[in-house]
Amino acid sequence: DTAVSQTPKYLVTQMGNDKSIKCEQNLGHDTMYWYKQDSKKFLKIMFSYNNKELIINETVPNRFSPKSPDKAHLNLHINSLELGDSAVYFCASSQDRWGTDTQYFGPGTRLTVL
Amino acid sequence: KNEVEQSPQNLTAQEGEFITINCSYSVGISALHWLQQHPGGGIVSLFMLSSGKKKHGRLIATINIQEKHSSLHITASHPRDSAVYICAVSNFGNEKLTFGTGTRLTIIP
Repeated sequence: DTAVSQTPKYLVTQMGNDKSIKCEQNLGHDTMYWYKQDSKKFLKIMFSYNNKELIINETVPNRFSPKSPDKAHLNLHINSLELGDSAVYFCASSQDRWGTDTQYFGPGTRLTVL
Repeated sequence: KNEVEQSPQNLTAQEGEFITINCSYSVGISALHWLQQHPGGGIVSLFMLSSGKKKHGRLIATINIQEKHSSLHITASHPRDSAVYICAVSNFGNEKLTFGTGTRLTIIP
């Protein structure tokens, strides 16, 4: 039974389009994250939610809008996609919000913007 | 701002060798994480530690708080250990992880 799942796994789209990535966790965790991994494999936090409340918004363009309908789901909507948005996006969850608990990662969504 | 540096960036070794990957950080932390990313792309948490040493199978993680340094050791390395190993830290009062740039490990049979 998958702990943190993301859909889709691959996303290929044209510049200017709008797309969404969905994430769900069945671990009962309170905190969920979106991370971006660039072509050099460097991971960086984008957003974090704790019990549906946004707690981290890390200087991400406002074309990116996270939404957490409940604490088991955290979706990422991206408007007006640009070439530089091409990356792998990882969702993760943990029990605490302070980075002092194990984080469980989803399989990643590879976004390619053409 | 906490900088996290890992060394080496790339490491190639023969099967069976003892492996050490290092992580240094610049300011006080509340926890340090070691993550593994296989060529298939998935990320798995290996360890989270705030002091001392942890062991899981052939993997050992240590941390020296005074020296702001952590090491990940792999004993009797195997080709399936080939992956990118990532160090990440959380700072006191800060709710996010700061990541190192990763160490790409390749174990040759």
